Amino acid sequence: DAGVTQSPTHLIKTRGQQVTLRCSPISGHKSVSWYQQVLGQGPQFIFQYYEKEERGRGNFPDRFSARQFPNYSSELNVNALLLGDSALYLCASSLEGNEQFFGPGTRLTVL
Amino acid sequence: KQEVTQIPAALSVPEGENLVLNCSFTDSAIYNLQWFRQDPGKGLTSLLLIQSSQREQTSGRLNASLDKSSGRSTLYIAASQPGDSATYLCAVRGGSGGNKLVFGAGTILRVKS
Repeated sequence: DAGVTQSPTHLIKTRGQQVTLRCSPISGHKSVSWYQQVLGQGPQFIFQYYEKEERGRGNFPDRFSARQFPNYSSELNVNALLLGDSALYLCASSLEGNEQFFGPGTRLTVL
Repeated sequence: KQEVTQIPAALSVPEGENLVLNCSFTDSAIYNLQWFRQDPGKGLTSLLLIQSSQREQTSGRLNASLDKSSGRSTLYIAASQPGDSATYLCAVRGGSGGNKLVFGAGTILRVKS
């Protein structure tokens, strides 16, 4: 079975722009979560979606939004990019309540 | 608010040594605890998952223990190898529902050949 996939792998944007990151969960997994990992730190929780509904939101500004599609894939959108948004964005999928499996991440650089 | 701390921040050992990585958390009301491995610039690889009702889990040379009442977990790596070099992250899932994981900052492990 394929693992969690994310696209794109790398992305370079300038301040003020908008970005969309994509995630496809492991087949059969209905829960998708997004995390932001700044260099040298552990990942920080941004959102969780289950069955297309938001189940949790971390301490991130409203510039961050997400959605989940009927096939359980998900998108993370970030508007009005700031230099501080530069990070590795990780997506994780799971069967509800169980072990979480992470994708390879999208490296976002904001110039 | 749950906080997770990992000690040491970095560790360098010779090949073949047994080692222990430590993780502590402030709120003992957890649903489960997961240990991950992360290679530089890569995603996270799940190593072991311990449910709150369990005391330990084993996979190959890895053994993870959980003492929920004291808010501690340890990851024991036997007979370390250079390929074990990576950052090891501990994460706890709260008991109040949802899938949110709270991570520690990680332990950077280097195994010298």
